[in-house]
Amino acid sequence: GDSVTQMEGPVTLSEEACLTINCTYTATGYPSLFWYVQYPGEGLQLLLKATKADDKGSNKGFEATYRKETTSFHLEKGSVQVSDSAVYFCALSDRNTDKLIFGTGTRLQVFP
Amino acid sequence: DVKVTQSSRYLVKRTGEKVFLECVQDMDHENMFWYRQDPGLGLRLIYFSYDVKMKEKGDIPEGYSVSREKKERFSLILESASTNQTSMYLCASSFGGQGIPYEQYFGPGTRLTVT
Repeated sequence: GDSVTQMEGPVTLSEEACLTINCTYTATGYPSLFWYVQYPGEGLQLLLKATKADDKGSNKGFEATYRKETTSFHLEKGSVQVSDSAVYFCALSDRNTDKLIFGTGTRLQVFP
Repeated sequence: DVKVTQSSRYLVKRTGEKVFLECVQDMDHENMFWYRQDPGLGLRLIYFSYDVKMKEKGDIPEGYSVSREKKERFSLILESASTNQTSMYLCASSFGGQGIPYEQYFGPGTRLTVT
C-alpha cells in the first residue's frame, strides 16, 4: 500500500542554520503531498502542500517541491528560528478516499 | 477560522471503563477522522466518516467504535479501555473530496491515560 518515509529526528540546529527534512513516498497513481507541523501542546496544522509533479509548496519561509522522478517531497528552509521548533509530518493523500497517510514525524529543535 | 474542538485535553481512566472522546467542528465539513499518535509511529487512522451515520474503519479500528449522529460531531468510543490504548488522540475534519485533496483541520488532541 501507499506509504511515507521521513528522516528520523531529532534534528538539532542553531538559529539561522539551513534546514532539510527528507521525505519520500510510495504510492499508486498521483497523490497530493503535504507537510504538517505540530507545535508543542497543539494539534497538527497544514504548513504547505503540492498537488502535482513539479509543484512547489511554500509558507512561512518553508518550501517543498513535488519530485515525481525521485518520489520525494523534502522540506527546506534557508534560515530557521527558535520558533520553528516543532514536529514536522510529511503526508500523502489518497484521492479516492480523502484519507491522509502520514510519516512518523521529525522533531526539529532550534537553539539560539 | 475553522475550529475543531475536543472535549478534554487530558483524561485518566481505569482499565475496563467505557470512554467517550468527543469532537466538534464548526465548518460544515463532510469528513471527520480519528487518529492516535504514538512516539515513533506517527499518526494512525482509527476510523473516519464521510457523512452523518456513515463510518469506515481505518488502519487500527480494533477496540474502538465511533458514532456520528450529527454532521458536526464525531465521537470515539473505547468500549473497555485497556492500558495499550494510552495515547494521544487527534480528531480532524475536512470537506468531502471528489478527488480533490482538501486540507484536514485538527483539534488540539486528548491525551488519554489508562491505568
